[in-house]
Amino acid sequence: DARVTQTPRHKVTEMGQEVTMRCQPILGHNTVFWYRQTMMQGLELLAYFRNRAPLDDSGMPKDRFSAEMPDATLATLKIQPSEPRDSAVYFCASGLARGEQYFGPGTRLTVT
Amino acid sequence: GEDVEQSLFLSVREGDSSVINCTYTDSSSTYLYWYKQEPGAGLQLLTYIFSNMDMKQDQRLTVLLNKKDKHLSLRIADTQTGDSAIYFCAEEQRGFKTIFGAGTRLFVKA
Repeated sequence: DARVTQTPRHKVTEMGQEVTMRCQPILGHNTVFWYRQTMMQGLELLAYFRNRAPLDDSGMPKDRFSAEMPDATLATLKIQPSEPRDSAVYFCASGLARGEQYFGPGTRLTVT
Repeated sequence: GEDVEQSLFLSVREGDSSVINCTYTDSSSTYLYWYKQEPGAGLQLLTYIFSNMDMKQDQRLTVLLNKKDKHLSLRIADTQTGDSAIYFCAEEQRGFKTIFGAGTRLFVKA
């Protein structure tokens, strides 16, 4: 069955290192979202794309975060340099122009 | 602001009904959603309601919408231990940006 996949599922890294998280949206979905979830802040929208074009990345710290969609089957979220406060679970979700979002299993990032 | 607000915790006994409440802010929101998150997993869409509807029923789930008060509720009938999870209310604003609440953690006691 069709699912959103994310890699890696877990990542432990030292502060200052680059982190790249990948997402494969459901085939045929034209909208991709990146979220960050922490106990303190809950679920935060970082960025989203429609037809591979960024529509809104206002939730993302621009100095260290970047999000791209090199093609329709791959979305990436990079953090460079990473900091301990970036520790969180990062979710990718995909959907159609309007309607429900389908979430991936998440990448649990720990920055020491 | 653009906050979606929910109570943080709800505890019910197995077999009882659960009612999870939510208030949203954007009166022009066209879709409102309920998602469920189980431990270690992503959010899963449970149900949604279009803003011109007052109620939607889907098996054990009933969604009620009061547009005047911007209040949304999710009722789970005959709550089971497998319903224990975090439930998120979400509103879809202009530009298809979705705003999520902080989530309500539902505890079901056997």
